[in-house]
Amino acid sequence: DVKVTQSSRYLVKRTGEKVFLECVQDMDHENMFWYRQDPGLGLRLIYFSYDVKMKEKGDIPEGYSVSREKKERFSLILESASTNQTSMYLCASSFGLAGDLIETQYFGPGTRLLVL
Amino acid sequence: GIQVEQSPPDLILQEGANSTLRCNFSDSVNNLQWFHQNPWGQLINLFYIPSGTKQNGRLSATTVATERYSLLYISSSQTTDSGVYFCAVARFPGANNLFFGTGTRLTVIP
Repeated sequence: DVKVTQSSRYLVKRTGEKVFLECVQDMDHENMFWYRQDPGLGLRLIYFSYDVKMKEKGDIPEGYSVSREKKERFSLILESASTNQTSMYLCASSFGLAGDLIETQYFGPGTRLLVL
Repeated sequence: GIQVEQSPPDLILQEGANSTLRCNFSDSVNNLQWFHQNPWGQLINLFYIPSGTKQNGRLSATTVATERYSLLYISSSQTTDSGVYFCAVARFPGANNLFFGTGTRLTVIP
């Protein structure tokens, strides 16, 4: 079975703090994704990566950055957390080369982040 | 991006009942997936179905790409079917960049 794990299920941070959310997958997937989920808005793509050290902006990248130094690990970084970044963050991974090879996305359990 | 509308937003069923969830999308797509999010937040892929019909046990899905909609059928519902069902779509180029609908929240009562 594909396994996608996220470093924390719940996280509480203060405004202005630097926050790291980590995601690890064990299936040698090329693609990895970070989404945020908010009530009434569904899931929105923040960033994705199709290879080590490669990244592409999604729909809402502002206020976030990412890092992919190893194939199995994709980190989401909030440089200076703000209250409007309180959300559920979901990581996903899939097989596939860059771009358009369509594969099923497998999701981690999510991290609920509260920024005070 | 592509607009995705799901209906109904909420659905309450008695155990054993059948239901149909609908997903409308605003443009042609090459990628359409249905997901189930359980009450603990875990998202599971149910179907990859950009066109045609697929079945998996009590679940089946049909996508009519030319008319830009997809339907998810749940038969003989069980309490474990409760959760939120999402439809997500994408198109070339960038067919892994999924646009999600806002979901249908299903509650199955015993």
